[in-house]
Amino acid sequence: GENVEQHPSTLSVQEGDSAVIKCTYSDSASNYFPWYKQELGKRPQLIIDIRSNVGEKKDQRIAVTLNKTAKHFSLHITETQPEDSAVYFCAANVNYGQNFVFGPGTRLSVLP
Amino acid sequence: NAGVTQTPKFRVLKTGQSMTLLCAQDMNHEYMYWYRQDPGMGLRLIHYSVGEGTTAKGEVPDGYNVSRLKKQNFLLGLESAAPSQTSVYFCASSYSRGAHYGYTFGSGTRLTVV
Repeated sequence: GENVEQHPSTLSVQEGDSAVIKCTYSDSASNYFPWYKQELGKRPQLIIDIRSNVGEKKDQRIAVTLNKTAKHFSLHITETQPEDSAVYFCAANVNYGQNFVFGPGTRLSVLP
Repeated sequence: NAGVTQTPKFRVLKTGQSMTLLCAQDMNHEYMYWYRQDPGMGLRLIHYSVGEGTTAKGEVPDGYNVSRLKKQNFLLGLESAAPSQTSVYFCASSYSRGAHYGYTFGSGTRLTVV
């Protein structure tokens, strides 16, 4: 079955710097990759997603890249702000479907 | 438009007790899911439903049962709670219209089994 790995598990950056979180997946049938942000004590919220027919997608300060050949995808946050501090989860769908396997999460801390 | 609503938000159970968690969505989503979240393990799928009257097992279904009698509701039951079921439970829903969509999550239920 699908296995999603995520690195690093924790990440600290200075405010204004960039942050990069990387994920790998195992199922070659995965074709949709969402990213979720979870603030402390709150629900995960979808922040960006990418489909397998696209190599990169941007939304203001966040971007996601996908390398289908290598089976990895990454989240990039530029000009980080304290409110970006949260746990970020990557996910990959299973067997072309609408079920997802999630990575274990990355705790991002943006230091003022 | 409330999105996805979970009840209760918190619960403490004694080992062997039973309970039902309720998830309700008002977005007319076909798909609904129950996940559990444990520290360092991300979100793991317990059961899911692709439509009213259907249910299917996910990654960690043992000890749980589900029902989807109405399209907007998805119930998660614990028949005999165990300490290993101490977790935060999230319900989610999504469209399924050919393309893929991300989930809308509920606010979670923090369950402690003592």
